[in-house]
Amino acid sequence: DAGVIQSPRHEVTEMGQEVTLRCKPISGHDYLFWYRQTMMRGLELLIYFNNNVPIDDSGMPEDRFSAKMPNASFSTLKIQPSEPRDSAVYFCASSAGTGSHNEQFFGPGTRLTVL
Amino acid sequence: AQKVTQAQTEISVVEKEDVTLDCVYETRDTTYYLFWYKQPPSGELVFLIRRNSFDEQNEISGRYSWNFQKSTSSFNFTITASQVVDSAVYFCALSEAFLGAQKLVFGQGTRLTINP
Repeated sequence: DAGVIQSPRHEVTEMGQEVTLRCKPISGHDYLFWYRQTMMRGLELLIYFNNNVPIDDSGMPEDRFSAKMPNASFSTLKIQPSEPRDSAVYFCASSAGTGSHNEQFFGPGTRLTVL
Repeated sequence: AQKVTQAQTEISVVEKEDVTLDCVYETRDTTYYLFWYKQPPSGELVFLIRRNSFDEQNEISGRYSWNFQKSTSSFNFTITASQVVDSAVYFCALSEAFLGAQKLVFGQGTRLTINP
């Protein structure tokens, strides 16, 4: 079975450009999460969805960040405009089961570098 | 507020030694879940174990074992007879049951290096 798929795996862009990260969760999973990993702040939850609906976006750093989940098999995280401090590895994860706190399965991550 | 502390930033041992990774958590909830994840050099996060707050039984899986003690709010992870392939960053994480929340709060991670 395919795991969580993220694209691109690496992204290098210049400050001010728009960046879109993509995620395909595991089929049948009803939760989708976006995390950011940096040396300074570790792993942080940015936002998560349940059945395509955003449940908690309190971790989104600022209005430059937005996330959507138009259907059960696709989500995007967009940064516009990007800044050098957005450089990080962005992980998408999915899990199944309402309220059961099942394990989250992580994608390989997108390494974003903003110059 | 939830908090997870992994006080050991880095650990380095020689192959075949036993090693314990510490994890201490804070929560006001009586129902919560604890997790360990492994992040090998390739970068992906790999689930290792989940434990709920009502189950304090220790668990063993091959060379891996976990010791959950509510009295000290700790969920420590021991690797017996370590191997070079165990080299990775290990994260402890906590989620609370409030409103069915699925939010994971991660510790800062412990970088484990197993030397041949």
